[in-house]
Amino acid sequence: ETGVTQTPRHLVMGMTNKKSLKCEQHLGHNAMYWYKQSAKKPLELMFVYSLEERVENNSVPSRFSPECPNSSHLFLHLHTLQPEDSALYLCASSQVSADYGYTFGSGTRLTVV
Amino acid sequence: AQSVTQLDSHVSVSEGTPVLLRCNYSSSYSPSLFWYVQHPNKGLQLLLKYTSAATLVKGINGFEAEFKKSETSFHLTKPSAHMSDAAEYFCVVSEGTGGFKTIFGAGTRLFVKA
Repeated sequence: ETGVTQTPRHLVMGMTNKKSLKCEQHLGHNAMYWYKQSAKKPLELMFVYSLEERVENNSVPSRFSPECPNSSHLFLHLHTLQPEDSALYLCASSQVSADYGYTFGSGTRLTVV
Repeated sequence: AQSVTQLDSHVSVSEGTPVLLRCNYSSSYSPSLFWYVQHPNKGLQLLLKYTSAATLVKGINGFEAEFKKSETSFHLTKPSAHMSDAAEYFCVVSEGTGGFKTIFGAGTRLFVKA
């Protein structure tokens, strides 16, 4: 058990659906991240939350919408996705105060049909 | 701005032989450096980290890495490969506390032959 739990592990959705990915950490960390991992591409940082506030926002399409209701939970809301959005979505957490590295969840494998 | 280059996309070794995964970095500051491992259909797991203490860093599962500032390298090694080491390995450079100051390499796939 890594301390960061992601649900669901697998998700298949149509392009008109709305779904949400959930991430929960039990490590007392105060920063959380969403990454996208596609085949043959480097890891892409999508969103960063520090102390429950979004502090940096990459140029991610608006069909991805993050939510961080408290320091332990992070969501990624999905709507009207495209097939190229199919990927492994990874959640990570860390301490903001020192650069000790990330703890990752096992990811959600998303397939858009 | 910082960058990281993993010099090999694939490395193949025989079980029981040494492993060398190469990583070069570029940074304007004194960066923190990390290696992560990812097994199939899993998240990334932190193997080891360098944060300006000892230049030879020991990690989990018998891995270690040496920080060489003059060569801007942070290569990952293991004396004897095990079948369970077959995975993808990521070198990471960070100039700050997470977010967009943390850059992941493209990854090196390690194959271990019996």
